[in-house]
Amino acid sequence: DAEITQSPRHKITETGRQVTLACHQTWNHNNMFWYRQDLGHGLRLIHYSYGVQDTNKGEVSDGYSVSRSNTEDLPLTLESAASSQTSVYFCASSADGDEQFFGPGTRLTVL
Amino acid sequence: AQSVTQLDSQVPVFEEAPVELRCNYSSSVSVYLFWYVQYPNQGLQLLLKYLSGSTLVKGINGFEAEFNKSQTSFHLRKPSVHISDTAEYFCAVRNTGFQKLVFGTGTRLLVSP
Repeated sequence: DAEITQSPRHKITETGRQVTLACHQTWNHNNMFWYRQDLGHGLRLIHYSYGVQDTNKGEVSDGYSVSRSNTEDLPLTLESAASSQTSVYFCASSADGDEQFFGPGTRLTVL
Repeated sequence: AQSVTQLDSQVPVFEEAPVELRCNYSSSVSVYLFWYVQYPNQGLQLLLKYLSGSTLVKGINGFEAEFNKSQTSFHLRKPSVHISDTAEYFCAVRNTGFQKLVFGTGTRLLVSP
């Protein structure tokens, strides 16, 4: 069955370190998205991609970057982790005009 | 730009009672509307969606929602809830011409015996 996976599921890191969260989907979807979920804010869009080599900033992109070298993967990098980036991160993918399918999430703690 | 308002952060209800979770949106263009459910420590799962056609949309687990364009609402309803419906529910909207979703802040449904 097609699926979307995220790794690691839990991560603890220190302020200033670079962190990369992986997202892999086997749906062959063109569109991929990264969100962060914080209490009282719902899900907020960090970055998104509509295809290979395409990346776009969302509403909370500062301090994050993504790259799309193939259809299946959209890794999210925190260049220099900050305590404000402690959150739960969700990756999602969709075909054009269709619903988004979500991964299980990565819980990131920045100490 | 679109926005979504879920006024109720938490809705407590007894098992087998009806429930309505409210969602209002704002947009200057045509939209698609979605309700997602999130069970503890899991990702989001689609409950139902409105793309076009009938304004009453039926989803999984006995949930339904009605699109009201004049009131810019998309309220979620279930006539009789179960303990297993305890979860966080998110309303989301997107422009018909784009893929990005805008989410509300979520409503936690707490079903007690």
